[in-house]
Amino acid sequence: KQEVTQIPAALSVPEGENLVLNCSFTDSAIYNLQWFRQDPGKGLTSLLLIQSSQREQTSGRLNASLDKSSGRSTLYIAASQPGDSATYLCAVPSGTYKYIFGTGTRLKVLA
Amino acid sequence: GAGVSQSPSNKVTEKGKDVELRCDPISGHTALYWYRQSLGQGLEFLIYFQGNSAPDKSGLPSDRFSAERTGGSVSTLTIQRTQQEDSAVYLCASSQRSGGGSQPQHFGDGTRLSIL
Repeated sequence: KQEVTQIPAALSVPEGENLVLNCSFTDSAIYNLQWFRQDPGKGLTSLLLIQSSQREQTSGRLNASLDKSSGRSTLYIAASQPGDSATYLCAVPSGTYKYIFGTGTRLKVLA
Repeated sequence: GAGVSQSPSNKVTEKGKDVELRCDPISGHTALYWYRQSLGQGLEFLIYFQGNSAPDKSGLPSDRFSAERTGGSVSTLTIQRTQQEDSAVYLCASSQRSGGGSQPQHFGDGTRLSIL
């Protein structure tokens, strides 16, 4: 049974810091891994999707890496801004389409 | 609006009443998902629709929950005889196709359901 864990559960950093969010999963036979952002009272916004054949994906100040063999992914946020404050979730498919989500990391970037 | 639309955004109802939640996916998306997000917990898969195939209902928590998707587009999630533990945010997502889950899911803003 696939299980997804995210560490830390919460993180508070001053503006401008670079930071890393961690995601681990128990079953390495995954097709892809997706990182999402969720703002309070909102749905999830897809940030990055890494295919199993890829090792990383980049979008602006965000970089996500995937190491299937160790069951880990990291989301790197460069030069953090207060607008980055949100909950970040990772998800992996269990089978071909049923996604299993972590419980997220609540990030607060202080101005 | 080109995004996933859910209605109502908030629903407060008394225990024992039936509720119906609606999801309009992005046009052309054949895959549609319903999730439940309870306070302090991760997203819980409820049901998955792909085109005209039989839906995967394996995540529905009890027979009080049902969902349908008409014409391969709009979906409704129905909860009968609601209980207080049904209180949660119900999120809908759609994607262009499944098949290895290779397409990103696009989420609506959810329906916040409160059972009194």
